[in-house]
Amino acid sequence: EDQVTQSPEALRLQEGESSSLNCSYTVSGLRGLFWYRQDPGKGPEFLFTLYSAGEEKEKERLKATLTKKESFLHITAPKPEDSATYLCAVRGAAQKLVFGQGTRLTINP
Amino acid sequence: GAGVSQSPSNKVTEKGKDVELRCDPISGHTALYWYRQRLGQGLEFLIYFQGNSAPDKSGLPSDRFSAERTGESVSTLTIQRTQQEDSAVYLCASSFYFGTITYNEQFFGPGTRLTVL
Repeated sequence: EDQVTQSPEALRLQEGESSSLNCSYTVSGLRGLFWYRQDPGKGPEFLFTLYSAGEEKEKERLKATLTKKESFLHITAPKPEDSATYLCAVRGAAQKLVFGQGTRLTINP
Repeated sequence: GAGVSQSPSNKVTEKGKDVELRCDPISGHTALYWYRQRLGQGLEFLIYFQGNSAPDKSGLPSDRFSAERTGESVSTLTIQRTQQEDSAVYLCASSFYFGTITYNEQFFGPGTRLTVL
């Protein structure tokens, strides 16, 4: 069974303090690993798709990386507006996405 | 439309009543998904539609849950005889499908928050 575990559950940082969020996964035949951002009361917003180990993608202050067992979402010099819940998901042989529980990130000014 | 839309945004119902939740996918997206998100939890897959293929219902938690899709547009998720444990946010997503490939990126609507009293 495909599984995703995210850590930590919650993370508080000061503005400008860089850190990383972890997503560990087990999947039969990875067809993609996805990162989403979710703000309170809203649906998830797509950030990145990664397909193979060694792949990296960047968007503004965020960079996602992928190995055969985990993915990291690195956040560099975060701002308060980066506060959100970050969700990781994998797609295996089926069309559905299997999500982790999310990491709730708070950036204090 | 510009994005996935869902209605209603909030629904409060009494235990035992039936509810219908609606999803309008992005125009041109033929793949449509329903997920459930309980408070503080990740998303749970419920059902997947693609064109005229039989839907993947493997995530539906009980026979009280059903969903329909009209052609390649609107979908309705129905929960019969609602229970308190059905309280959650129900999210709809759509993605582009071309040939035999479903593009991976799923784009989500704002969700319907269901509260069963």
